Amino acid sequence: ETGVTQTPRHLVMGMTNKKSLKCEQHLGHNAMYWYKQSAKKPLELMFVYNFKEQTENNSVPSRFSPECPNSSHLFLHLHTLQPEDSALYLCASSQATLDSLNTEAFFGQGTRLTVV
Amino acid sequence: GQSLEQPSEVTAVEGAIVQINCTYQTSGFNGLFWYQQHAGEAPTFLSYNVLDGLEEKGRFSSFLSRSKGYSYLLLKELQMKDSASYFCAGYNTDKLIFGTGTRLQVFP
Repeated sequence: ETGVTQTPRHLVMGMTNKKSLKCEQHLGHNAMYWYKQSAKKPLELMFVYNFKEQTENNSVPSRFSPECPNSSHLFLHLHTLQPEDSALYLCASSQATLDSLNTEAFFGQGTRLTVV
Repeated sequence: GQSLEQPSEVTAVEGAIVQINCTYQTSGFNGLFWYQQHAGEAPTFLSYNVLDGLEEKGRFSSFLSRSKGYSYLLLKELQMKDSASYFCAGYNTDKLIFGTGTRLQVFP
């Protein structure tokens, strides 16, 4: 248990469905992240929220829509996905500071997404 | 751009020492992390270097040379449970950029 909880753990959805991934952290961190992990690829940073403000959007397609209602919760809304979007989606949180100390990121267990 | 390169796979036997390298091509990182990820599990933090030199943490050590854009993770007294993927990651202000990952296989 890392203090970061993701739900659901597994999700199968059709290309016309709309679903949401949820992430919750109980560590008092001020930064939260969404990463995508595909087979044989490095973890790809998708979105960064710092103090609830989105600070990074790495050219992610608009069919992925993040939402950060507060510093403890992060959502990833999904709609009209493609089969190539099938991957493990990992949420992480950290205490982001300018001097980079204590910035270890804690990861959730991930959501294994399959788009059919 | 920001990229961190690692060998895709390394193999070793139990009890041995193995070194996993990470090279990067940006000076924008404030620190370099190493994470371990077992199959089907979340990545977990192993070590962190913000200054040049060697950081030792039990069987795991990590080295950083910022001028050379180079880091390595050293694993001693390998155990079967060390079989996993290992990722270096550079920290830049408010985001963690991961390397390509190295799959370590430990054989008896």
